[in-house]
Amino acid sequence: GEDVEQSLFLSVREGDSSVINCTYTDSSSTYLYWYKQEPGAGLQLLTYIFSNMDMKQDQRLTVLLNKKDKHLSLRIADTQTGDSAIYFCAESYRDDKIIFGKGTRLHILP
Amino acid sequence: EAGVAQSPRYKIIEKRQSVAFWCNPISGHATLYWYQQILGQGPKLLIQFQNNGVVDDSQLPKDRFSAERLKGVDSTLKIQPAKLEDSAVYLCASSTQVFSGNTIYFGEGSWLTVV
Repeated sequence: GEDVEQSLFLSVREGDSSVINCTYTDSSSTYLYWYKQEPGAGLQLLTYIFSNMDMKQDQRLTVLLNKKDKHLSLRIADTQTGDSAIYFCAESYRDDKIIFGKGTRLHILP
Repeated sequence: EAGVAQSPRYKIIEKRQSVAFWCNPISGHATLYWYQQILGQGPKLLIQFQNNGVVDDSQLPKDRFSAERLKGVDSTLKIQPAKLEDSAVYLCASSTQVFSGNTIYFGEGSWLTVV
């Protein structure tokens, strides 16, 4: 069945780049997503990529998709304290269902 | 544009009691989802509605959970009787009928603690 895996924790110094990685199993995924969740808050869609693309850039965010290896990454340039949150990788399955990973907690070091 | 509204935001109940959560999706959104997010995990889909019909409820524990969307707009999710392991955030989301990458929106969630 469909599954999304990501590492649970990442620590990065303020100002450095953060790279959060994710692997997924469903080769028929249409969209792949990155969501951000701050403590006590709901899910915020950060960015998404259509499965026929291999890169998408949006200000400080860069998404890379390697369809052959079913690997998705999110790079946050110039990481700031406000980026501290849990980041969920997700894939859309059969187009309108979204399957989430367990989330990567990003911790920013001063 | 108003977002997905959920209530109550927080609820504490004792095990074996019942609880109901309400969701009002974005106006015009045909698809409505309920997700369960247990602490430390990603959201898990419980049930998906298309208008007032159920599309997928394969992961809904039907012995204790029920959900309805009678008029194809608002939805309620009920748990009866609650167990300790039901402590979680219950997220409602809605989407347009034609699904695209950025058409699904999540509410703030209803936080349930079962003691």
